[in-house]
Amino acid sequence: QVQLQESGPGLVKPSQTLSLTCTVSGGSISSGGYYWSWIRQHPGKGLEWIGYIYYSGSTYYNPSLKSRVTISVDTSKNQFSLKLSSVTAADTAVYYCARGTHILTGYYPFDYWGQGTLVTVSS
Amino acid sequence: EIVLTQSPGTLSLSPGERATLSCRASQSVSSSYLAWYQQKPGQAPRLLIYGASSRATGIPDRFSGSGSGTDFTLTISRLEPEDFAVYYCQQYGSSPPETFGQGTKVEIK
Repeated sequence: QVQLQESGPGLVKPSQTLSLTCTVSGGSISSGGYYWSWIRQHPGKGLEWIGYIYYSGSTYYNPSLKSRVTISVDTSKNQFSLKLSSVTAADTAVYYCARGTHILTGYYPFDYWGQGTLVTVSS
Repeated sequence: EIVLTQSPGTLSLSPGERATLSCRASQSVSSSYLAWYQQKPGQAPRLLIYGASSRATGIPDRFSGSGSGTDFTLTISRLEPEDFAVYYCQQYGSSPPETFGQGTKVEIK
């Protein structure tokens, strides 16, 4: 059973960089065919896709966040990470990591999610 | 970017009733890469439907998805107490950015 777990500071100061890590257990992040994503949800609002990374390191980012986002993967630790720079109060949200699938038969959406972690941006 | 618009915003129904949720895309969704998720308070979203009409593993058959192109529907044939939640559609796959609809809340009448 694949499990994902987000970790990182729950409080970040404005203008600083938000850093989160997602640890994958029950499966290898290096297994071909998966893409590893970050999604966020502002309090009481809907879901916003941030971006994803393949184990190979290829990335895709939401254009609205692209200038501030970096997603990376550490296969030795079976983790992938999110960095969001120059944060403001508008970046306060619950951040989720999730797994999608891309194989020969096509794409499949997020079947495994972390439980989410609330990050508050405040001085 | 494909914009997904869900309707209605809120659906007030009683247990045992049928729920019909709509998701309309601003342009055609490639290969019917349209998913539906259920989210309960304090929980991560749970995948219900992928490929517009295929149920995810372990999802009861009272949940069904249909549609293609720009118009998609999630139907819950008979609402169970545990089905009252917020539902999101998502387009995914070969045309990033992946986007979500704004959600439909199914509440107890």
